[in-house]
Amino acid sequence: AQSVAQPEDQVNVAEGNPLTVKCTYSVSGNPYLFWYVQYPNRGLQFLLKYITGDNLVKGSYGFEAEFNKSQTSFHLKKPSALVSDSALYFCAVRALPGRRALTFGSGTRLQVQP
Amino acid sequence: NAGVTQTPKFRILKIGQSMTLQCTQDMNHNYMYWYRQDPGMGLKLIYYSVGAGITDKGEVPNGYNVSRSTTEDFPLRLELAAPSQTSVYFCASSFNRLAGDTGELFFGEGSRLTVL
Repeated sequence: AQSVAQPEDQVNVAEGNPLTVKCTYSVSGNPYLFWYVQYPNRGLQFLLKYITGDNLVKGSYGFEAEFNKSQTSFHLKKPSALVSDSALYFCAVRALPGRRALTFGSGTRLQVQP
Repeated sequence: NAGVTQTPKFRILKIGQSMTLQCTQDMNHNYMYWYRQDPGMGLKLIYYSVGAGITDKGEVPNGYNVSRSTTEDFPLRLELAAPSQTSVYFCASSFNRLAGDTGELFFGEGSRLTVL
């Protein structure tokens, strides 16, 4: 079975400061890893993914994530937070080979204070 | 392209009623999914389909049924609605054979269901 853990329900950061949203995973086989963002009353929007290659992946809106195989982590980062980044963030995983459905974490709410 | 379209956006049901949540996608994706989202619980997979005529259970299938008669449509049926089915439901799709397996799922805007 595969699983994702997002240990923080909420992360608070001041605008302009760097942010990190944590994610660890468990999967049999090679992982495909994803980050999605959800704004209030909206669907999930894809931010970035890791499939293979460089451990640092860059995505939309200045976000990036670092894949660490030994720590089974895929933390989301941004060098300088914006108030508009405030949203709910989900980490997700699937195994390769394996079913294409994603397994999601419980989500982390990011609050960026002006 | 509209992407993934879900209807209705909101619905209130009484206990024991039935209804169907509609989902259609115009990206020629082979795979379609239904998830439910409960506060603090993330998204849980209800059912998924790998193509027309093929469906399979996810983590939380009880109380739901699906069908996939066309590539575009994947309706979710709730029979005998219960308060435990109060949730936000998301339809998603992925994998266009011509584009290859890029991995990510594309989501609809969600359907908020309340069972009273």
